[in-house]
Amino acid sequence: ILNVEQSPQSLHVQEGDSTNFTCSFPSSNFYALHWYRWETAKSPEALFVMTLNGDEKKKGRISATLNTKEGYSYLYIKGSQPEDSATYLCAFQPGNQFYFGTGTSLTVIP
Amino acid sequence: DSGVTQTPKHLITATGQRVTLRCSPRSGDLSVYWYQQSLDQGLQFLIQYYNGEERAKGNILERFSAQQFPDLHSELNLSSLELGDSALYFCASSEGGGPQETQYFGPGTRLLVL
Repeated sequence: ILNVEQSPQSLHVQEGDSTNFTCSFPSSNFYALHWYRWETAKSPEALFVMTLNGDEKKKGRISATLNTKEGYSYLYIKGSQPEDSATYLCAFQPGNQFYFGTGTSLTVIP
Repeated sequence: DSGVTQTPKHLITATGQRVTLRCSPRSGDLSVYWYQQSLDQGLQFLIQYYNGEERAKGNILERFSAQQFPDLHSELNLSSLELGDSALYFCASSEGGGPQETQYFGPGTRLLVL
């Protein structure tokens, strides 16, 4: 069983603050790293699929970086808004399998 | 709305029973993935089908089986149900069979085994 860890487990920030969280995964057999945004009572929504060491991806105020050699990815949110409140989930993919972290729960306080 | 549909939304059944969950992928998507989200565990990958063929298998129990039909919809069959099978079951789809593709999740089927 592969270990995918996300930290912190939960986070409360004020509206307008920037924040970041981490996904750690095994540094061997890397194929892809997926980030999802999961709002309560909804289904996971894909944010990024990251495949190359040094990858940086951006969607609006959200961006992500990838370091496959040391086995981590960072997700950044700039100027957090209440609508950013959700659980952010990463999934490590060594080939055709998917191993999910337990997510970081973000609450943005207005 | 991702374009992926799942039926039923909710299902309540008894231990020992068998149920079938159905998933229709987004128009044009050839791959379907099944996931299980239970209370005590995170999201678990069960199985992937691509264009009717099994592509990858994850933590799927032997009591569970799946298939993808010629019209590309998929069914997940759960048999000899146990209390621990109570969970939210998601289906996702992607355009092709490549493992690095973006997946689009359906709304899920919530199964309660009593």
